[in-house]
Amino acid sequence: AQSVSQHNHHVILSEAASLELGCNYSYGGTVNLFWYVQYPGQHLQLLLKYFSGDPLVKGIKGFEAEFIKSKFSFNLRKPSVQWSDTAEYFCAVKGQAGTALIFGKGTTLSVSS
Amino acid sequence: DVKVTQSSRYLVKRTGEKVFLECVQDMDHENMFWYRQDPGLGLRLIYFSYDVKMKEKGDIPEGYSVSREKKERFSLILESASTNQTSMYLCASSLRTSAPREQFFGPGTRLTVL
Repeated sequence: AQSVSQHNHHVILSEAASLELGCNYSYGGTVNLFWYVQYPGQHLQLLLKYFSGDPLVKGIKGFEAEFIKSKFSFNLRKPSVQWSDTAEYFCAVKGQAGTALIFGKGTTLSVSS
Repeated sequence: DVKVTQSSRYLVKRTGEKVFLECVQDMDHENMFWYRQDPGLGLRLIYFSYDVKMKEKGDIPEGYSVSREKKERFSLILESASTNQTSMYLCASSLRTSAPREQFFGPGTRLTVL
């Protein structure tokens, strides 16, 4: 069965620090990969997605992610975090045959000003 | 702008009650989903539907049922609520096309079962 692993449960950073959140998935075929963000008290919303093509994907608010097929990874990065990036971040994968997304357990990011 | 709305933001029910959670989307999406979100467990899929009157079990369907009588509405039913069903419930929708599409989420219903 497909699965998604997010390595960090809780990350604490100071403003302007660089961010990298790990995500690994288990499905060996063609995958579609997503990062969602949930700000406190708000809906889950899409940060970025990878379907095909350039493995370096840019999303909203300065986030980017790199798909590395050989490592089954889709890590999220941001060069300089802001206090407003404090949120919970979810990696998700959709396999070719599936309809629903498989979500990781989430990473809580706390940014101090 | 896609809008997914859920009938209640907060709900408190008693053990054994029948509970209905309603979800409506306004973008003519074929696919609709119900997840529950628990701290440390992420989002887990309860049921999804890819068409009216069609439903598929997700990873944790036990204790739940669903209804999709109209394309825009997807209901989650707890036949006899139990305390271990206290959770945040999220509804989502997406287009069903040959190319994959993102899911759009509602604001969630925080259900407490006493």
